[in-house]
Amino acid sequence: DADVTQTPRNRITKTGKRIMLECSQTKGHDRMYWYRQDPGLGLRLIYYSFDVKDINKGEISDGYSVSRQAQAKFSLSLESAIPNQTALYFCATSDPGSYNEQFFGPGTRLTVL
Amino acid sequence: GENVEQHPSTLSVQEGDSAVIKCTYSDSASNYFPWYKQELGKRPQLIIDIRSNVGEKKDQRIAVTLNKTAKHFSLHITETQPEDSAVYFCAASKGGGGNKLTFGTGTQLKVEL
Repeated sequence: DADVTQTPRNRITKTGKRIMLECSQTKGHDRMYWYRQDPGLGLRLIYYSFDVKDINKGEISDGYSVSRQAQAKFSLSLESAIPNQTALYFCATSDPGSYNEQFFGPGTRLTVL
Repeated sequence: GENVEQHPSTLSVQEGDSAVIKCTYSDSASNYFPWYKQELGKRPQLIIDIRSNVGEKKDQRIAVTLNKTAKHFSLHITETQPEDSAVYFCAASKGGGGNKLTFGTGTQLKVEL
């Protein structure tokens, strides 16, 4: 089945470390997104990309960077992790012809100590 | 940018009762309003959506209503069952190409036996 996958699924790291979260998809969608989920705050958009050459900041991009290596791959980096970046991170994809229905990956639970 | 508010943050109902979750949005240009369900430990998944050219849409036990004048939309679940227990997110978008979703903060629905 065409799907969205994320690696790692769980990660514990220390303050100041560089962390990369990876997302791959086999849906053939051009659009990819990174969200973080915190209790009571919902899903907040970090970065999004509408094609390989397009990168856009979301509402909470500070402290994060992304790389769109191919249509199917979109990575999120935390250059110097801090404890308030502890959260559940979701990658998602969408097809521009579908009114932006989002298909989410399984999530990565990141803990920064 | 768009701002979506969602209420209540938690909702507890008895099995068989109805549940209603309400959202308001700020951007009158928004025209696409999806609802996502996230079961415990799972990824969010689209359960129903509505576009601004209709006022109501139903799919078995779930329905969504939209009031464009008041800029609010609601999710209605009838004859609730234990498997309806989850976090529900509303979202808004201008739809079509080039536009992203803005999510509400989520509602934790618990259906009690």
